[in-house]
Amino acid sequence: DIQMTQSPSSLSASVGDRVTITCRASQSIGTYLAWYQQKPGKAPKLLIYAASSLHSGVPSRFRGSASGTDFTLTVSSLQPEDFATYYCQQSYDTPFTFGPGTKLDI
Amino acid sequence: QVQLVESGGGLVRPGGSLRLSCEVSRLSFSDYYMGWIRQTPGEGLEWISYISTTGTTEYYADSVKGRFTISRDNANNSLYLQMNSLRAEDTAVYYCARAGYHSTFDYWGQGTLVTVSS
Repeated sequence: DIQMTQSPSSLSASVGDRVTITCRASQSIGTYLAWYQQKPGKAPKLLIYAASSLHSGVPSRFRGSASGTDFTLTVSSLQPEDFATYYCQQSYDTPFTFGPGTKLDI
Repeated sequence: QVQLVESGGGLVRPGGSLRLSCEVSRLSFSDYYMGWIRQTPGEGLEWISYISTTGTTEYYADSVKGRFTISRDNANNSLYLQMNSLRAEDTAVYYCARAGYHSTFDYWGQGTLVTVSS
C-alpha cells in the first residue's frame, strides 16, 4: 500500500497569514494527489485535484504543487473560514490512502 | 444543489449486518465511479470501496474484503454498501462520494453513523 504522510500534524496561524502543508507519498504517484478540507461534523470537501488543479468554486488563495513524491498545499492569505483539518489523498492505486491530516487553528 | 444523501446507519451488534444507501441528485451519476469512505470518531479517513460505472468491477480495502459488498443502481442514481459480519472496529461515519477526474472524490454525502456494539 502507498503510505501518505503529512506535516505538520497541527498548525496555528492568524487571519491573513500564508501557510503551507506538506504531504509525502511512499512511492511515485505522478499527480494523482488530491487535497480536502474538513470542518468538524461535516464531510470533507475537495479543494485540489491532480496535485495542482483547483476544484470548481474553491477560492484562488488555495494552491497545490508537486515535486516528485512531495506535494504542498498553500493558502496565500488565511480567511476565518479556512480554519479546518486538511487531508491529502492518493488515487494512483487502490487502496486509495489518505494522509493523517493537518489541523489548522487560530 | 448537488446532493448525495446516505441512509441506513445505526446501532448493530457485532456479527450483524447493515445496508447503507446513497441517493444522488442534481449530479451526473452513471458516468462516474462511486466510492465509500469511512471515518472513525476523531480519527482520519479510510477508503473502503469503489465501483465502476456499470457495476461490473469492484474494489475493496483489505479491512472489509469478504465482508462488505458495494453495488449501484444507475436507473435510480443510487449506491449501496452491504455490510456483513460487522465488528467493533467498523464503527465509523460512512460517506459515499463520487470519483471524478483521476479518481478524486469530488462530491461527498453528509455521512451516516454506524455503531457496532453489544
